[in-house]
Amino acid sequence: DSGVTQTPKHLITATGQRVTLRCSPRSGDLSVYWYQQSLDQGLQFLIQYYNGEERAKGNILERFSAQQFPDLHSELNLSSLELGDSALYFCASSASPGTSGTGELFFGEGSRLTVL
Amino acid sequence: AQTVTQSQPEMSVQEAETVTLSCTYDTSENNYYLFWYKQPPSRQMILVIRQEAYKQQNATENRFSVNFQKAAKSFSLKISDSQLGDTAMYFCAFSVETSGSRLTFGEGTQLTVNP
Repeated sequence: DSGVTQTPKHLITATGQRVTLRCSPRSGDLSVYWYQQSLDQGLQFLIQYYNGEERAKGNILERFSAQQFPDLHSELNLSSLELGDSALYFCASSASPGTSGTGELFFGEGSRLTVL
Repeated sequence: AQTVTQSQPEMSVQEAETVTLSCTYDTSENNYYLFWYKQPPSRQMILVIRQEAYKQQNATENRFSVNFQKAAKSFSLKISDSQLGDTAMYFCAFSVETSGSRLTFGEGTQLTVNP
């Protein structure tokens, strides 16, 4: 158990809909990262938050947004869903301060999104 | 931009034998970190081993060891005495100090350990 909690574990929805994925980082971790893993592909970095502020952005679509709340949990919002958005969405947290890349990332179990 | 390349999409090995997974990376940074993550069928991402670029000594964790060649920008993973539970997708990953632990992943190598 990594200590990172993601909900829901599975989600099936239709094209055009909007969903919210939730992540609770490990206790004490200030950094949260979101990654997307499409079928049989590697993990693509979407966005990083550190202590409530956006720290870095990757290849995140404009239809997607995220935020980190004062209690450090994070939500990834996916809107106007398309078939190609079907993927496993991972949240990870890190013990490292946002400006130091010395720590490993601790991954949640992922949220599997299926868009029909 | 940093890139990570895993040139072996699939590999197989017999139980108890040794296998080496390859990884190369490209960066202009001098201080960085390299990782191997394992993703079994459960899809959980599990850290296998980590290497700091400033350390010349290769990292080892039980049956797992790396061959880190900084000049060649190569970071291979050796699994000794392979076990059935080692069957998984293995991802090489990279982060730099200035990116705040953000990892860049390779495309992965699917390793199958055969009985």
